[in-house]
Amino acid sequence: DVKVTQSSRYLVKRTGEKVFLECVQDMDHENMFWYRQDPGLGLRLIYFSYDVKMKEKGDIPEGYSVSREKKERFSLILESASTNQTSMYLCASSSLWPGQGGTDTQYFGPGTRLTVL
Amino acid sequence: KQEVTQIPAALSVPEGENLVLNCSFTDSAIYNLQWFRQDPGKGLTSLLLIQSSQREQTSGRLNASLDKSSGRSTLYIAASQPGDSATYLCAVSYTGGFKTIFGAGTRLFVKA
Repeated sequence: DVKVTQSSRYLVKRTGEKVFLECVQDMDHENMFWYRQDPGLGLRLIYFSYDVKMKEKGDIPEGYSVSREKKERFSLILESASTNQTSMYLCASSSLWPGQGGTDTQYFGPGTRLTVL
Repeated sequence: KQEVTQIPAALSVPEGENLVLNCSFTDSAIYNLQWFRQDPGKGLTSLLLIQSSQREQTSGRLNASLDKSSGRSTLYIAASQPGDSATYLCAVSYTGGFKTIFGAGTRLFVKA
């Protein structure tokens, strides 16, 4: 079974803190994604990585950065947390993306619910 | 703008009922469409994936159809059970890009 794990299920931080969210996948997938999920808005892509050290901005990258030093690990960094970053953060991985052809099932982690006070 | 819309936002049905969830998308040049299930406070689990060349996919009591020309997909759940209670999300991927566009989901409650 594909497994995507996230470092924390729940996290409470203060405004201005630097926050690290970690994601690890065990299927040797090239692609990894960070989304945030807010009520009524669905999932919105923050950043995407298609290889080690490679990244692409998604729809809402402002206030976030990412790091991918190893294939299996993709980190999301909130440089200076703000209250509007309170959300559910979901990590996903896949073996292919649409432009590469073939199927593109994304496998999701359990999510991290972040509260910024 | 590429958008995915799911109607209804919430649905409550008695156990045993057959039901249909709807998904519509604005850009019909899709690569594939997926239906996911999300339990409260959890991540997403892929249920069915339909390639753009396919019309439907089936898995157990679930059947998903795709009509690209009209920009619609439906998820049919037969003989619903309380364990089917969850949020169901539709997601569309497009050729030539890495983005998957997600709908906001339909929250389903099956009453025992």
